[in-house]
Amino acid sequence: AQRVTQPEKLLSVFKGAPVELKCNYSYSGSPELFWYVQYSRQRLQLLLRHISRESIKGFTADLNKGETSFHLKKPFAQEEDSAMYYCALTSPGTYKYIFGTGTRLKVLA
Amino acid sequence: NAGVTQTPKFRILKIGQSMTLQCTQDMNHNYMYWYRQDPGMGLKLIYYSVGAGITDKGEVPNGYNVSRSTTEDFPLRLELAAPSQTSVYFCAGGGQGESGYTFGSGTRLTVV
Repeated sequence: AQRVTQPEKLLSVFKGAPVELKCNYSYSGSPELFWYVQYSRQRLQLLLRHISRESIKGFTADLNKGETSFHLKKPFAQEEDSAMYYCALTSPGTYKYIFGTGTRLKVLA
Repeated sequence: NAGVTQTPKFRILKIGQSMTLQCTQDMNHNYMYWYRQDPGMGLKLIYYSVGAGITDKGEVPNGYNVSRSTTEDFPLRLELAAPSQTSVYFCAGGGQGESGYTFGSGTRLTVV
């Protein structure tokens, strides 16, 4: 079955420390993976997509097919990074996404 | 450029009441979706639509209905509200391939 697992419900780090939000997936094939972010009182928005191999707001994510992971990383956390982060998966050519349960990131001053 | 607009933002319903959550988009998305977000449970797909006149069930459709008479509008109907439907509801559009979803701002529904 297709599944996205985010093992941490809450991750607290100090400002300037590195951040890694974990995402593991279960999928028999080549999925497309995304990270979505929800800042306080704002709507969910797309942060990263693996196919673009881009860096947004200092965040990067590498798809590791061997470990079936798509961890989100940032070398130096900022207070404005505090938000809820969701990892999501979809099959190429389809339209339904499977979301993880989310990780709340708190960046402490 | 409104994107995806949901109304209302908040609503309290009594058990057994009915209501419609509105969702409209001006991005010409063929694909639209309704999700519910429960604490610690992530987002679960309720219904989706691949175009006007076409809808299909998602993972948790029971207790809900949808319609898609136009490309712009995708309302979600609760006929007999139950406490289990207390949740935050998100409408989204797009999502084909690598383009990702555009989400609405959400509707927080409480059934008492």
